[in-house]
Amino acid sequence: QKEVEQNSGPLSVPEGAIASLNCTYSDRGSQSFFWYRQYSGKSPELIMFIYSNGDKEDGRFTAQLNKASQYVSLLIRDSQPSDSATYLCAVNSQGGTSYGKLTFGQGTILTVHP
Amino acid sequence: KAGVTQTPRYLIKTRGQQVTLSCSPISGHRSVSWYQQTPGQGLQFLFEYFSETQRNKGNFPGRFSGRQFSNSRSEMNVSTLELGDSALYLCASSLGEEQFFGPGTRLTVL
Repeated sequence: QKEVEQNSGPLSVPEGAIASLNCTYSDRGSQSFFWYRQYSGKSPELIMFIYSNGDKEDGRFTAQLNKASQYVSLLIRDSQPSDSATYLCAVNSQGGTSYGKLTFGQGTILTVHP
Repeated sequence: KAGVTQTPRYLIKTRGQQVTLSCSPISGHRSVSWYQQTPGQGLQFLFEYFSETQRNKGNFPGRFSGRQFSNSRSEMNVSTLELGDSALYLCASSLGEEQFFGPGTRLTVL
């Protein structure tokens, strides 16, 4: 079983719709969870991170965490064609000892069509 | 504030050679992590340095090594290159929990 799993997609949504990206993780001791966006040919850029159960909102993005179910999701409201990219879920299982080791999922390719 | 910089951006090497990649973190960031990204394996953690000490190491052979200098700049070295080492090598710096990636070095091994 992979440590961090994402639906590889591709996920296709129309412009203006809500895109829902999902991620599950295997290590119950995982402390913090990150969503990155990676455009083709570019490096990952941080969208947001979450470490408490519940929702965290930042503009059009909402991260949801359920530690009991070992599940993290990212919702993108009012999706735009510029949101078309690969979305990477990453998990930090090191806790307070180190923040520098992230375990990444394989990524979900999102396409937003006009 | 300047972002993470990596040099060189592109490299072509042949099997058996060695290579050194460089990373300058965001000013004030003391932690530097290295990752390898390939189409098949995705993003995989190589190692993390903090205050010139390796704090974490991923599951890569000993041919992969790194170091960090007193100014937080970091280098990674790959010796005896293999075809499978062709990848995008990404450096990320962090002050706290958030890691910020550099543009990467694209290494091609022929």
